[in-house]
Amino acid sequence: NAGVTQTPKFQVLKTGQSMTLQCAQDMNHEYMSWYRQDPGMGLRLIHYSVGAGITDQGEVPNGYNVSRSTTEDFPLRLLSAAPSQTSVYFCASSTGDEQYFGPGTRLTVT
Amino acid sequence: SQQGEEDPQALSIQEGENATMNCSYKTSINNLQWYRQNSGRGLVHLILIRSNEREKHSGRLRVTLDTSKKSSSLLITASRAADTASYFCATDEWGIGSQGNLIFGKGTKLSVKP
Repeated sequence: NAGVTQTPKFQVLKTGQSMTLQCAQDMNHEYMSWYRQDPGMGLRLIHYSVGAGITDQGEVPNGYNVSRSTTEDFPLRLLSAAPSQTSVYFCASSTGDEQYFGPGTRLTVT
Repeated sequence: SQQGEEDPQALSIQEGENATMNCSYKTSINNLQWYRQNSGRGLVHLILIRSNEREKHSGRLRVTLDTSKKSSSLLITASRAADTASYFCATDEWGIGSQGNLIFGKGTKLSVKP
């Protein structure tokens, strides 16, 4: 099992550009989520999904969209990148309590 | 909003010593989890303790939970240089339970010197 995979590992965007961060898991987990991690802030939940076709907002959803067309994939879209979205983004999946994290995407918006 | 708050923010010890990290939270929980993050990596689950448990062990890890004080502690015994990492507590929000919505604290950065 590859577990949770994320692409790309690094990305630099200009303000106003859009992009999609990819996340995939091969563990058949129903629950998937996206977090951002900023220095001194811990992890904050952006969006989550409890199954294919079902998504909901977390603590900091503004500026991000998600969709869940399959159990395996949960992409995160930045609609119009802003410097405040410079962060490390983690995708996670879970069957219940324990979450399995991907390696992260380090995003810089200039 | 942040639920768990770890204390201390940073901890530096010698190899072989014990390391204790504390976590306080604000609302009722179903369970509390501890995760480890090595520099530049994703988080790895260490241990989960449910609200009806008071203490749990896993190898060199010991976790306690005091729901009356809304606090937990993580003890790493006989620390090793490889334990150098950031440690986060995470709680689920009451009523959501096993949906998986976790709220993370800001973490304790542990440095174990050889």
